[in-house]
Amino acid sequence: EPEVTQTPSHQVTQMGQEVILRCVPISNHLYFYWYRQILGQKVEFLVSFYNNEISEKSEIFDDQFSVERPDGSNFTLKIRSTKLEDSAMYFCASSTGGPDEQYFGPGTRLTVT
Amino acid sequence: GENVEQHPSTLSVQEGDSAVIKCTYSDSASNYFPWYKQELGKRPQLIIDIRSNVGEKKDQRIAVTLNKTAKHFSLHITETQPEDSAVYFCAAIKYKLSFGAGTTVTVRA
Repeated sequence: EPEVTQTPSHQVTQMGQEVILRCVPISNHLYFYWYRQILGQKVEFLVSFYNNEISEKSEIFDDQFSVERPDGSNFTLKIRSTKLEDSAMYFCASSTGGPDEQYFGPGTRLTVT
Repeated sequence: GENVEQHPSTLSVQEGDSAVIKCTYSDSASNYFPWYKQELGKRPQLIIDIRSNVGEKKDQRIAVTLNKTAKHFSLHITETQPEDSAVYFCAAIKYKLSFGAGTTVTVRA
């Protein structure tokens, strides 16, 4: 069964550094998402992406964040200048025909020191 | 935006008993309600979902009910087993997925 994959599984970075989190969505899916989950808290929506553009974003997704689909398989989340409060698990998800039935990747644990 | 409330935050049941988790949502335009199961350190996994034109859906030991008028929906797990222990999240979708705060379910052997 195809699954969403994410790399790296764990990223440690210093405050102020840029990080890029990578995701490979399920191959026939057209909608892509990023979520974050601070330890012990609920999953929070960051952004959705369809047809090479952002379709929805939350108030968390400010100018420090950007997403890109650099090729036919990868979907990336960039945080330009990381802050301590960016430490969280970041999940990528994908779906076929809209926001329903989203399948999540295993997550990248980002630790900002 | 959509606000999803979930109760209880923790639930401990004896193996074989039933577990019920309840959620309410605020936006009457939300039309899709998935439930995710998240085991410790793992990805959220979609276990069942219900659309706004359906009142109830069942899949083996798991069932979901939806009351659109009252804007609440529930997850029912029957004959609980130790492997059902996890955090369960409800969610509602209008244009984006809004999650509840989660319920930590512990099934005691």
